[in-house]
Amino acid sequence: DVKVTQSSRYLVKRTGEKVFLECVQDMDHENMFWYRQDPGLGLRLIYFSYDVKMKEKGDIPEGYSVSREKKERFSLILESASTNQTSMYLCASSLWVGVSNQPQHFGDGTRLSIL
Amino acid sequence: AQSVAQPEDQVNVAEGNPLTVKCTYSVSGNPYLFWYVQYPNRGLQFLLKYITGDNLVKGSYGFEAEFNKSQTSFHLKKPSALVSDSALYFCAVRAPIPMDSNYQLIWGAGTKLIIKP
Repeated sequence: DVKVTQSSRYLVKRTGEKVFLECVQDMDHENMFWYRQDPGLGLRLIYFSYDVKMKEKGDIPEGYSVSREKKERFSLILESASTNQTSMYLCASSLWVGVSNQPQHFGDGTRLSIL
Repeated sequence: AQSVAQPEDQVNVAEGNPLTVKCTYSVSGNPYLFWYVQYPNRGLQFLLKYITGDNLVKGSYGFEAEFNKSQTSFHLKKPSALVSDSALYFCAVRAPIPMDSNYQLIWGAGTKLIIKP
């Protein structure tokens, strides 16, 4: 069965800290995505990656960076955490980008609070 | 601009009654359409998709959705609601032709479905 695992369900950090959110998928998917979910705003794409070491900005990349050194792992980095980055973060993966009708598979999310 | 609208923030239905969660879209060309469900404290789960062919698509947990090209809608339906269907439902659209190699999904804001016993 498809599995996307996010390293933490809940995380509390302080303003100014560098924060790492990790995501691992076991489906050999080429594409991986990071979203943030806020009430009333749905899902907003932060970054996505269609191959190892490749990345593209989504709708709201400011204040974030990503790393994909291995196919199965996609990390989201908050360079200097701020309170407006308190949110639910969702990681997803899907088959390669050229097959645009493939669904995305999601992890259970990380609820991040920045104090 | 491409967009997806879920006009209802919340839908309340009595158990056993039919339910409809609405979705309309504005996308160039013939879109690919998806519905996802999110249960409390969980990630999103794929329910169903429309790519081409029959306008009525059947998916998981007894859900179905009807694609209406003239009304640019893709409403989610179920003939008889269960209390366990209570969750947050998201509609998403992807244009079939990439723009600037961007294959992003365009997401609706979500509709909270509450099924009352």
